[in-house]
Amino acid sequence: GEDVEQSLFLSVREGDSSVINCTYTDSSSTYLYWYKQEPGAGLQLLTYIFSNMDMKQDQRLTVLLNKKDKHLSLRIADTQTGDSAIYFCAERKDGATNKLIFGTGTLLAVQP
Amino acid sequence: KAGVTQTPRYLIKTRGQQVTLSCSPISGHRSVSWYQQTPGQGLQFLFEYFSETQRNKGNFPGRFSGRQFSNSRSEMNVSTLELGDSALYLCASSLGDSSIGYTFGSGTRLTVV
Repeated sequence: GEDVEQSLFLSVREGDSSVINCTYTDSSSTYLYWYKQEPGAGLQLLTYIFSNMDMKQDQRLTVLLNKKDKHLSLRIADTQTGDSAIYFCAERKDGATNKLIFGTGTLLAVQP
Repeated sequence: KAGVTQTPRYLIKTRGQQVTLSCSPISGHRSVSWYQQTPGQGLQFLFEYFSETQRNKGNFPGRFSGRQFSNSRSEMNVSTLELGDSALYLCASSLGDSSIGYTFGSGTRLTVV
């Protein structure tokens, strides 16, 4: 099937680290993405990782990929109230198409 | 550099009507994809256009159609609207075949009453 799964909700305190998890379906997926959606807005690309990488770090964001378990995670260090949003992971199956399969989304609530 | 522009931002239509949504990609981007976002089904792929040709299509009924013009702007059309078509419709643009990044517009919020 094409279900990409995420936990629905995560609550953290400001300054803590947040870890958002994602399980994807297709081991042949070439790229995996994390998008952020704030209320009433479109999707903002946060970061992506190639399927042949294990880890990617970009400022406060760290992406870990376990290809064997088809598990992707996004760690946000020093989480701020402005990070409160819905986070989506997405997989792209091959290089010839721009079709993304999105996860169900995780609502991150940051408590001051 | 202007982002992806979707018009209109909000739309209210009556069941049975048809609607046309517009997406202007980033200058130089040749691929436009459309997604439907609903609370129940999440984000679902509708179709993708590249150089005026539909390259990929999701599992939506034939009431959903689209096209792309020579300037890469794209429109999607939904005919015979149903209540369940109420959703946020998002388009994304990218350079083309080998590009990695997709830039999304802010979406069109369609409400069918």
